[in-house]
Amino acid sequence: QSVLTQPPSASGTPGQRVTISCSGSSSNIGSNTVNWYQQLPATAPKLLIYTNNQRPSGVPDRFSASKSGTSASLAISGLQSEDEVDYYCAAWDDSLNGYVFGTGTKVTVL
Amino acid sequence: QVQLVESGGGVVQPGRSLRLSCAGTGFTFSNYAMYWVRQAPGKGLEWVAVISYDGSNKYYADSVKGRFTISRDNSKNTLYLQLNSLRAEDTAVYYCARAVLEMATIFGMDVWGKGTTVTVSS
Repeated sequence: QSVLTQPPSASGTPGQRVTISCSGSSSNIGSNTVNWYQQLPATAPKLLIYTNNQRPSGVPDRFSASKSGTSASLAISGLQSEDEVDYYCAAWDDSLNGYVFGTGTKVTVL
Repeated sequence: QVQLVESGGGVVQPGRSLRLSCAGTGFTFSNYAMYWVRQAPGKGLEWVAVISYDGSNKYYADSVKGRFTISRDNSKNTLYLQLNSLRAEDTAVYYCARAVLEMATIFGMDVWGKGTTVTVSS
C-alpha cells in the first residue's frame, strides 16, 4: 500500500491545463525532494521532473511541478493526445528508509 | 549513450531462486547508486531496493526484506538482485534504474532499463 496518494484519474481537452496532486507526509514529501515519472503502456517509466521542479533535458516546458509542505503537484499545460499516459510521484521516506511511489494517475485527453 | 540492460528473468516455481543482472554502459557506473523497481501486471510501480554507489549501504522494501539481496560489481559495471523464496506476488517486470544524482542515494532515479519479467508459478 503506497504512502503517497494520487487521484486515480485526471482529464482535460486538448490545449487545457491539467494538474495531478500527490499527498504524502512529513517523513517523505515533507522532508525530501519529489520526482515525477511518466509511463507509456508496456514501457519503462521516464523521469519527467526531479528535485521538486527540475525538468531533465528533452522534457517539454509544458510540464511543471511544485511542492508545498507534505504535498506536491504536477501540471500539464497545453494538453496533447500523447500526454494520455500514467504519471507517478515519488520521494524518499525517512521513516520507512526507502523510496516510495505514488498510487499513479491516468490522464485522459477528452 | 547511457543505457541499462536487465537480464535473468524467467518462469520459476514458488520457493525457488533467481538472480537478475543489470549492465550499465555510457556512464561512470561506480559513481551512482542503483535501484531496482518492479511492477506487477496491471499495477503501479513498487520500489524494491537501492544500493549506494560504493555498495556500502543497502535498503529494501519491507515486502522483500530478508528474501532479496541487492549487490553490485563496479569492476563489471553490473548490478544484481538475488531473489530467494519467491512467491506468486513477486511476479512482475523488474526494472533497474540509475540514481538521478552522482554519489547520492535517496533522490530517486533518472535512467531506466527496459525491464526483465519474473513469473512465479507452479
